[in-house]
Amino acid sequence: KAGVTQTPRYLIKTRGQQVTLSCSPISGHRSVSWYQQTPGQGLQFLFEYFSETQRNKGNFPGRFSGRQFSNSRSEMNVSTLELGDSALYLCASSLVVGGQKYNEQFFGPGTRLTVL
Amino acid sequence: QKEVEQDPGPLSVPEGAIVSLNCTYSNSAFQYFMWYRQYSRKGPELLMYTYSSGNKEDGRFTAQVDKSSKYISLFIRDSQPSDSATYLCAMSEISGGYNKLIFGAGTRLAVHP
Repeated sequence: KAGVTQTPRYLIKTRGQQVTLSCSPISGHRSVSWYQQTPGQGLQFLFEYFSETQRNKGNFPGRFSGRQFSNSRSEMNVSTLELGDSALYLCASSLVVGGQKYNEQFFGPGTRLTVL
Repeated sequence: QKEVEQDPGPLSVPEGAIVSLNCTYSNSAFQYFMWYRQYSRKGPELLMYTYSSGNKEDGRFTAQVDKSSKYISLFIRDSQPSDSATYLCAMSEISGGYNKLIFGAGTRLAVHP
């Protein structure tokens, strides 16, 4: 079974630009979560989507947004990029069966975003 | 104070040693505890998953949870150079069936031949 895939793997942007990152969960997984990983702050939760609805949100400004499609694929968008947004952005998927979400989260390889 | 505390290391051990990695936490609502391994420039890989207190063993890995002390551990027996990576503890509570993982800072482990 294929794992979580994320595209692109690397991105370089300049301050003020916006960026869209994509995530395809493991087949059959319908919950997708996004995390930001930086050397200073570690791994921090951004948001979680299930059934095309945001279910949970971390403490990030409104410049960070996401969405989920009917096929469970998800995108996250960062507008008006700042230097501090340089990070590894990780997507994780979880299995949901009969409305019950399994707690194990499986991560993709991440998208490394560099803001210049 | 962070919800999850983890010594970042680095921890350097000889091949074959028993490695002990630990995390402490402050939120008594945490019920699910996980350990992830992350190699350089890769995403975290789920190693162990436990619910509530107790021990769980999988091959060379043993996870322990002590909810009364708010302390979790991961033991690696017969450590190998291929175990060299960053180990992250993660935990979550339940909130309406949807939850987020709170991670420790990660401990860098180096196993030298």
